[in-house]
Amino acid sequence: GENVEQHPSTLSVQEGDSAVIKCTYSDSASNYFPWYKQELGKRPQLIIDIRSNVGEKKDQRIAVTLNKTAKHFSLHITETQPEDSAVYFCGSSGNTPLVFGKGTRLSVIA
Amino acid sequence: NAGVMQNPRHLVRRRGQEARLRCSPMKGHSHVYWYRQLPEEGLKFMVYLQKENIIDESGMPKERFSAEFPKEGPSILRIQQVVRGDSAAYFCASSPGGTADTQYFGPGTRLTVL
Repeated sequence: GENVEQHPSTLSVQEGDSAVIKCTYSDSASNYFPWYKQELGKRPQLIIDIRSNVGEKKDQRIAVTLNKTAKHFSLHITETQPEDSAVYFCGSSGNTPLVFGKGTRLSVIA
Repeated sequence: NAGVMQNPRHLVRRRGQEARLRCSPMKGHSHVYWYRQLPEEGLKFMVYLQKENIIDESGMPKERFSAEFPKEGPSILRIQQVVRGDSAAYFCASSPGGTADTQYFGPGTRLTVL
């Protein structure tokens, strides 16, 4: 079945700097790759997603890139703010249910 | 448009009791997924259901756990004879289409087994 690896597990950045989180997946049939943000005690919330017919997608300070050949995708957050502090999960799915990475705890230091 | 609803939000059970968790999908969504999240860990897929059908239950323990999504009413995740290791947050998500569709999560049910 699908296996998703996510790195790093923790990430600390200074406010205003950029943060990058990377994921790799194993199933070449996967074609949908969402990113969720989860604050402490809250539900996961979708922040951006990308499908396999697109290489990059951007929404204000957040961007996701996808390399289907290498089977990896990345989340980029620019001009980080303290409210970006949370756990971020990447996911991968296609014909099978979403498989999530183990999460990255992002801390933005003011 | 109400989002995904889950109840109860918190549930306390003693070992050996039954836990019943409910999930009402977003309006227009006919696909429901259940996930378990242990403290400080990721989201583990348990089961995927469409109305009246279990599509994929590969992540659900074979014993004590069951799920249903009847024609009318919410999806229910049932855990029989709970043990301390069942303590976790259980999230459901719904989507309008299949597995490659965007999933929206409910607020979760936090189960504590004493």
